[in-house]
Amino acid sequence: GAVVSQHPSWVICKSGTSVKIECRSLDFQATTMFWYRQFPKQSLMLMATSNEGSKATYEQGVEKDKFLINHASLTLSTLTVTSAHPEDSSFYICSARDPEFIQYFGAGTRLSVL
Amino acid sequence: QKEVEQNSGPLSVPEGAIASLNCTYSDRGSQSFFWYRQYSGKSPELIMSIYSNGDKEDGRFTAQLNKASQYVSLLIRDSQPSDSATYLCAVKRGNEKLTFGTGTRLTIIP
Repeated sequence: GAVVSQHPSWVICKSGTSVKIECRSLDFQATTMFWYRQFPKQSLMLMATSNEGSKATYEQGVEKDKFLINHASLTLSTLTVTSAHPEDSSFYICSARDPEFIQYFGAGTRLSVL
Repeated sequence: QKEVEQNSGPLSVPEGAIASLNCTYSDRGSQSFFWYRQYSGKSPELIMSIYSNGDKEDGRFTAQLNKASQYVSLLIRDSQPSDSATYLCAVKRGNEKLTFGTGTRLTIIP
């Protein structure tokens, strides 16, 4: 299957700082990528859909000014959690859609905000 | 009403037996169906995709689709302890985003 790389895998930051997470499709071009969040023992929650060269589409209830998404190339999307707070601590997972519209997931980023 | 429904489990199956995971969906226009496996603390991993009615086999895994009944299932033959995970059913229409079920937690008992 296709490979999606996500970095970092784990990040600890102080409250009020910003954290950037990168998602790369390594062997295919992805015009569309997705960002999910998952709390322990809960299901995946879609945060936003990232489209190359255009603004991201955010799901209801997700603050677009807090979760900045940039999809500047066909292989890279970034999620920046701005002014992070302890309640933002979660498992963030990106997914890239290949040309056959199949979604492959990155390994995820575990964010802990102190 | 949930768009994709799965029994949350846990579903316990003896090692070597067949594990049967079920999923129903509400959108009759759904065209693509996927099963993902998610180990605890890890991200989902694609196991199977199915697009047409009937069965699709890949190794120990068989996906079954019945569009008339709006039902998709995953069978795991010769279950192994390494199959213990949460299995996510996902459906989509055309090139729209995936809709996930909440997942079924499967435990294979040695």
